[in-house]
Amino acid sequence: DSGVTQTPKHLITATGQRVTLRCSPRSGDLSVYWYQQSLDQGLQFLIQYYNGEERAKGNILERFSAQQFPDLHSELNLSSLELGDSALYFCASRASSIYNEQFFGPGTRLTVL
Amino acid sequence: AQTVTQSQPEMSVQEAETVTLSCTYDTSESNYYLFWYKQPPSRQMILVIRQEAYKQQNATENRFSVNFQKAAKSFSLKISDSQLGDTAMYFCAFMKGYSGNTPLVFGKGTRLSVIA
Repeated sequence: DSGVTQTPKHLITATGQRVTLRCSPRSGDLSVYWYQQSLDQGLQFLIQYYNGEERAKGNILERFSAQQFPDLHSELNLSSLELGDSALYFCASRASSIYNEQFFGPGTRLTVL
Repeated sequence: AQTVTQSQPEMSVQEAETVTLSCTYDTSESNYYLFWYKQPPSRQMILVIRQEAYKQQNATENRFSVNFQKAAKSFSLKISDSQLGDTAMYFCAFMKGYSGNTPLVFGKGTRLSVIA
C-alpha cells in the first residue's frame, strides 16, 4: 500500500458525460501528479499541483481540469467524454525526501461507452 | 524534451534465473533521477529502484540492481533469482532536475514473464 488513495476504482459512463476522479496524497506530501495510462499512448503526465497551486502541465486536454484543495486532496475533472478518454488514471504524490520519489495510487479505471 | 526508450516489449525468464531489462534515455540535462517501476496484473505502480545521476555507484535493492552508464545514457535493470511474483510490466522513468518538482517521463514498458 503506497498510502495514496484514489476513488472510485472503476467508473463507467457514456460519451458526453462529465466525471470527477479523487486523490488523497500520502500524509505529509504536498505535491500531487496526475497521469493517464492508455494502450496507445502509454503513461503520460497530465498535470501537477503543489500545495494548492498548479505547477506543471503536460498533455492535458482542455476538456480536463484539476485542482488541489486546502486539505491537499486533488480532483481531476473530465468533461465531454469521448471513447478515447477510456484509460487508467493515476494520481501520484511526491515524497518530501532527497530522492523525490513519486508514489502511485491504485488508479481509477475509466470506461467511456 | 526528454525521451525514454525500452527496446524490449516482452521478455521471459525461468524462475531463479537472472534477467536484464534495457532502458536508454535522451536528455541534455546533467541533473536528473532515473527510476524503475513495476506494474503487476493488479495495475498498481510500484517503485522498484531509483538512481541519482550524480552518483556513480549503481543502486541496489535486494534482488534488483541497475547498471547506470551516464555517458551512454543507459539504465538497465537486473533482476536476480527471478520469482513468479516478478511477472509484471516494468517501466523505466526519467525525472529532470533535483528539485523533484518535475513529472516523470516513462518508457513504453517491458512485459516480463517469469516461467516456473
